[in-house]
Order: sequence, then C-alpha cells, then structure tokens
Amino acid sequence: TQLLEQSPQFLSIQEGENLTVYCNSSSVFSSLQWYRQEPGEGPVLLVTVVTGGEVKKLKRLTFQFGDARKDSSLHITAAQPGDTGLYLCAGVEGNNRLAFGKGNQVVVIP
Amino acid sequence: KAGVTQTPRYLIKTRGQQVTLSCSPISGHRSVSWYQQTPGQGLQFLFEYFSETQRNKGNFPGRFSGRQFSNSRSEMNVSTLELGDSALYLCASSLAQGAPDEQYFGPGTRLTVT
Repeated sequence: TQLLEQSPQFLSIQEGENLTVYCNSSSVFSSLQWYRQEPGEGPVLLVTVVTGGEVKKLKRLTFQFGDARKDSSLHITAAQPGDTGLYLCAGVEGNNRLAFGKGNQVVVIP
Repeated sequence: KAGVTQTPRYLIKTRGQQVTLSCSPISGHRSVSWYQQTPGQGLQFLFEYFSETQRNKGNFPGRFSGRQFSNSRSEMNVSTLELGDSALYLCASSLAQGAPDEQYFGPGTRLTVT
C-alpha cells in the first residue's frame, strides 16, 4: 500500500493569513487529488493534478504537484472562515483504488 | 441532478448486532464504492461494485459485505459488530468502473457501536 502522509495534521490561523499544507509519499502516483470535507459531509473534490510540476489555481487555492509526482502542496491565500475543513489528498494505487492521506484539519478564525 | 444519498445518516448499534447501510448513486452512475473513515486510520477503501458485481475489495474482514442492485443502488452490511467498527461510512459513485478519480461522495452514515 502506498502511504500518503499529510502535514501538518492540524493548523489554526487567523482570517487573512496564508497557509500551506503538504501531502507526501515515497511512491509515484499517476495523479493526485485534493478534497475538502466539512463536518457531517462527505469529501468534495477540489482538483486533480496529473503532470509533474503542474500548478492549478482555484480562486485563492493553489495546488502544486511535485516534479517527481510523489508529493503535492496546497496553498491558501488570505484564508477565510469558509476555508475551514479537513483537506484530504488521495492518489490512485496500482490496483485502481483511491488511497487517502489522513488529512490536514484547517481552522480559520474570524 | 441529485447527489449521492445515504441512509440512515446516523445509527447506534450494540456489539454483536448487525447493520445494513444504503447508498443511492447519482443518476446514471453505475459504480459504487464504499469507504470507512475513522480519526485514527483516515479513509480506507472497503469495496467497489459495478453492474451488481464486486470488482475490487479492500483489506477488511469478511464481516463486511455488500451488494448492488440492478438500479445501481448499493447496500453494505456489517455483521457481529465490534466497538472498532464505529466510524463514518462513505459511499461514492462514478460513471464507470475503476474510475476512482471521478468519484462523488455522499454525506456518509455515522455508525456508533456501544
């Protein structure tokens, strides 16, 4: 099983600050996905990155896939309370299953 | 277009009992996957069903089983419940089999075993 390690596990910041969370693996993935999960809900797909070195932007969220396709980062600019949630990264394993990291719990304080 | 629905949303059971959870996929989606989410282990893959057949299975004991109906709705069953089965059970649907990167998740069923 290819493990995805996410860091930091928990992050609390003030509204307006920037933050970056990380997703790392010792294995190569053909693609990586980022989800956001809010309390009482299922994960919602934010973005899929496929090409090594790829950068994708979704409003104030910037996602980067490492050159070697083993790691990814999510940067949030000027965080807002609505960004609060559990951010999950996931990669497709060789047996065509989705493997998830344990998540980065982000809390944005108004 | 309605999203993935799961019933019930919350459930409390006692050790040793069994439980059945239900998942209705997005209209037109034929693949349903089930996941268990706990704080300690995160999201773990249980199994995938497509065209009423189990196509992929995770590393869970035989107490965890599932099935899919001709209308693509799916159920999962857990027998002889243990305290450690307390978790959020999520199902996800996709159009095609083996497309884990195109899944849409339901809100989950929160199971508490006492």
